[in-house]
Amino acid sequence: GQQVMQIPQYQHVQEGEDFTTYCNSSTTLSNIQWYKQRPGGHPVFLIQLVKSGEVKKQKRLTFQFGEAKKNSSLHITATQTTDVGTYFCAGRRTGTASKLTFGTGTRLQVTL
Amino acid sequence: DAEITQSPRHKITETGRQVTLACHQTWNHNNMFWYRQDLGHGLRLIHYSYGVHDTNKGEVSDGYSVSRSNTEDLPLTLESAASSQTSVYFCASSEYSNQPQHFGDGTRLSIL
Repeated sequence: GQQVMQIPQYQHVQEGEDFTTYCNSSTTLSNIQWYKQRPGGHPVFLIQLVKSGEVKKQKRLTFQFGEAKKNSSLHITATQTTDVGTYFCAGRRTGTASKLTFGTGTRLQVTL
Repeated sequence: DAEITQSPRHKITETGRQVTLACHQTWNHNNMFWYRQDLGHGLRLIHYSYGVHDTNKGEVSDGYSVSRSNTEDLPLTLESAASSQTSVYFCASSEYSNQPQHFGDGTRLSIL
């Protein structure tokens, strides 16, 4: 079956440092979504990427979709304590409707 | 405002008992999903539904069942609870196949 892996599993940064999480799929994806889950909370949708090589920005967050549509990344510039949480990518395999396969997640800890 | 609610938020039960977790959404979404979240595994799909009377198995469906008798509800039943089913369970819904999923607050289930 489809597998979606994320690295790193955990990262601890000082406030102001940058952070990147990488997402890799074993199969080609039709699109990829990113979610953030605060400690004790539920996943909240951040963004969806559809096109090969697509780059989208949300303030300090930059999302990329790989040219082969098998990988993606999320980069946070100048992290803040409000960025703390677990970031999940979720990919939809080409040809399948609705079903998302979630990555294993990257937990981000930010300290002052 | 439309929302998705799960109940109960916490439950402790014994092995062998039948347990039902409720999920109710007022978004009027056709697609509904059940996931379990365990450390190191991210979110894994248990069952999903594309509409009334439609149910499908996800990647970890053994020991679980769902039914969809109306648009708003997708209850998840553990027929005979096992300790391996101790987890946090999330329900989600989406309007269309490629739309973001909206998650409930989760149910923390402990099976002793």
